[in-house]
Amino acid sequence: ELKVEQNPLFLSMQEGKNYTIYCNYSTTSDRLYWYRQDPGKSLESLFVLLSNGAVKQEGRLMASLDTKARLSTLHITAAVHDLSATYFCAVDMSGTGNQFYFGTGTSLTVIP
Amino acid sequence: DADVTQTPRNRITKTGKRIMLECSQTKGHDRMYWYRQDPGLGLRLIYYSFDVKDINKGEISDGYSVSRQAQAKFSLSLESAIPNQTALYFCAVSGTGGKTEAFFGQGTRLTVV
Repeated sequence: ELKVEQNPLFLSMQEGKNYTIYCNYSTTSDRLYWYRQDPGKSLESLFVLLSNGAVKQEGRLMASLDTKARLSTLHITAAVHDLSATYFCAVDMSGTGNQFYFGTGTSLTVIP
Repeated sequence: DADVTQTPRNRITKTGKRIMLECSQTKGHDRMYWYRQDPGLGLRLIYYSFDVKDINKGEISDGYSVSRQAQAKFSLSLESAIPNQTALYFCAVSGTGGKTEAFFGQGTRLTVV
């Protein structure tokens, strides 16, 4: 059974600070996705990581994937209030199709 | 218009009632999914379908059934709703090749009383 674990589950940080969210998964996969969810809203795709060593950046967010360690990170640089949301990682369990298994999410609050 | 549309957006139903949640998409993707979201548990996969003739159970399919009426439509049914099926339900679609990310509908908030 695939397990996807995120930590921390809750993160409160001040504006301007840096922090990293971790996503560990229990089985072989080379496809990992990061999503953002605002309260009461749907999930918005942030990053698609499709190979070992993949790194993607968008604004103050940067995601990376280490398939050997079964670890992905989402790094936040100089946080701003608008980044407050819940962030999910999702792993594609199947090599031939898409079966997305999600972590429990990290609820991020950026304090002005 | 949204690429992935779910109806209804909110529903309150009584224990034992049958209810259907509907999902339609305009992205032209073959793969469709139903998830439920509960606080602290993330999203859990209920059923998925890779094409009209392909239906597969996910992690938590007990108490649910699905129908893939067309490439663009994927419905989730609760044959006899129970209170612990109260949750936020999401439909998602994804493509193949380089378009593997999932795109989500706006969600259906279901309350079973």
